[in-house]
Amino acid sequence: GESVGLHLPTLSVQEGDNSIINCAYSNSASDYFIWYKQESGKGPQFIIDIRSNMDKRQGQRVTVLLNKTVKHLSLQIAATQPGDSAVYFCAENPGNMLTFGGGTRLMVKP
Amino acid sequence: DAGITQSPRHKVTETGTPVTLRCHQTENHRYMYWYRQDPGHGLRLIHYSYGVKDTDKGEVSDGYSVSRSKTEDFLLTLESATSSQTSVYFCAISGSGGSSSYNEQFFGPGTRLTVL
Repeated sequence: GESVGLHLPTLSVQEGDNSIINCAYSNSASDYFIWYKQESGKGPQFIIDIRSNMDKRQGQRVTVLLNKTVKHLSLQIAATQPGDSAVYFCAENPGNMLTFGGGTRLMVKP
Repeated sequence: DAGITQSPRHKVTETGTPVTLRCHQTENHRYMYWYRQDPGHGLRLIHYSYGVKDTDKGEVSDGYSVSRSKTEDFLLTLESATSSQTSVYFCAISGSGGSSSYNEQFFGPGTRLTVL
């Protein structure tokens, strides 16, 4: 499949454990954030979003936390499964266009 | 999955030849985007469209042109392909954007282009 990054940070977790993927964003004017999942050979898939007037949002098995003070975003995946193995990246919107981070590779060990 | 298709999915071409990539959507979304994805650079915006015949440049637009004659189709053209344009190209769509901050984008499956 397509290579999305040769030197991505990698997080390796045991199946069933919780995963936490972090993202530092750059623009304090950003008021909207998205987490994407990208599996090998596929396009990025929308996971969850959060607006800047919130500090936490939950989805199915995923939670996004936003700390505007330190410009930090995290994605928590509960009970990580083999199908969660992918590259995850955040995107921020400081105005009218999304800016994407470089990504973190999540590897799930059976 | 959002109704987005890209064609071709894979293409190998030679330096100096023109190449056109097609993005087709069935969602009737107003905004469409072309990105390239390269190791070490993540996703970078090439061009985008905010309506039929309305397009604008993104971060890495040099060497690329786009056209949007219908809501559902957004074409990316490399007038004279170079090896530096070897990449994976993704199309995305959004129902909002521009002045709206909350423009979640949905991506197509990608086109792998190799320029020899």
